[in-house]
Amino acid sequence: AQSVTQLDSQVPVFEEAPVELRCNYSSSVSVYLFWYVQYPNQGLQLLLKYLSGSTLVESINGFEAEFNKSQTSFHLRKPSVHISDTAEYFCAVSDRTTSGTYKYIFGTGTRLKVLA
Amino acid sequence: NAGVTQTPKFQVLKTGQSMTLQCAQDMNHEYMSWYRQDPGMGLRLIHYSVGAGITDQGEVPNGYNVSRSTTEDFPLRLLSAAPSQTSVYFCASSWGQGWTGELFFGEGSRLTVL
Repeated sequence: AQSVTQLDSQVPVFEEAPVELRCNYSSSVSVYLFWYVQYPNQGLQLLLKYLSGSTLVESINGFEAEFNKSQTSFHLRKPSVHISDTAEYFCAVSDRTTSGTYKYIFGTGTRLKVLA
Repeated sequence: NAGVTQTPKFQVLKTGQSMTLQCAQDMNHEYMSWYRQDPGMGLRLIHYSVGAGITDQGEVPNGYNVSRSTTEDFPLRLLSAAPSQTSVYFCASSWGQGWTGELFFGEGSRLTVL
């Protein structure tokens, strides 16, 4: 079965500094990868996704992630963070079941805290 | 734009009581699922459904029942609540069985079992 590992439970970073949130997944033939963001007391929202094609995917608010098949990674980066980026970030993978359907497996999350 | 609606938002139960967490979506999504979120453990899949009349177990199904009689609704039942079921529960939906795109989440239901 698929698994997702987020190595950092918390990442503090100063405003306007760059940040990288790490995500690794267990190998699979077909991989669909996602990053979700959760603001306090809210549900999760999709930040970006990789389904196929270009290995570099971007979100509308400046985040990007690169699919690296050889390293089974999908790290999330932003060159300059804002206070409003403070949230919890979840990496997820879509895992194909034996019956041909899909289920989504999430990592344990990384709390990004942006400091003034 | 209702999206995914969960009720109740907060609930306190005593050990052994039963209850149902309601989830409804108005996007005609075939795929619906329930997760629980616990500190340091991320989101763990409880049960999921790929269409009306079809359900399957996720990672942590014990102590929970589900049914899917309509496309819109996917209730989660706790038959005999235990303190270990204290958690925040999220319902999420997506398009068809083979769809690998976005999951749409509800706002969550915070359950405390005393």
